[in-house]
Amino acid sequence: KAGVTQTPRYLIKTRGQQVTLSCSPISGHRSVSWYQQTPGQGLQFLFEYFSETQRNKGNFPGRFSGRQFSNSRSEMNVSTLELGDSALYLCASSGGQVRSYEQYFGPGTRLTVT
Amino acid sequence: DQQVKQNSPSLSVQEGRISILNCDYTNSMFDYFLWYKKYPAEGPTFLISISSIKDKNEDGRFTVFLNKSAKHLSLHIVPSQPGDSAVYFCAASPMEYGNKLVFGAGTILRVKS
Repeated sequence: KAGVTQTPRYLIKTRGQQVTLSCSPISGHRSVSWYQQTPGQGLQFLFEYFSETQRNKGNFPGRFSGRQFSNSRSEMNVSTLELGDSALYLCASSGGQVRSYEQYFGPGTRLTVT
Repeated sequence: DQQVKQNSPSLSVQEGRISILNCDYTNSMFDYFLWYKKYPAEGPTFLISISSIKDKNEDGRFTVFLNKSAKHLSLHIVPSQPGDSAVYFCAASPMEYGNKLVFGAGTILRVKS
């Protein structure tokens, strides 16, 4: 079974621009969660999508948004990029309907904002 | 406020010996706990988990212990191998609808041969 894939793996953007990251979950998994990893804040939960609906949301500003498609693939968008948005963005998928406990992570997208 | 804390930034252990990684939490709403291992330039890999109704779970060389009254859990790796060198994250799942993990800051484990 193929794992979670994320594209692109690396990205360099300029302050003020917007960016879209993509995640394909493990086949059959319907839940996709997004996390931000930075040296200062560690791994922080952004949001979770299940069946094309946002089911949970972390404490991030509205510049961070996401969506999920009918095939469970998910995209995350960050608008008006700030230097502090430089981070590793990780996507995780899980299979359960109500609550899955274990989440399986992709390799991440390294975003650098200059 | 850090709800999940890993107070040791790093740990160095000799090959073949036991590695013990510790984690404390503050939120009583956490009812499921997980350990992940992370190598540079890769995403976290799930290792082992434990429900709050248990106090121990074992999988091969990995054992997780949970002390609910102390809000403390630990991961034991026996015997430690050089390939275990990585960053280990403790994570907790709150008792709510949907999936969300709250992570600790991580502990760097170095296993010396």
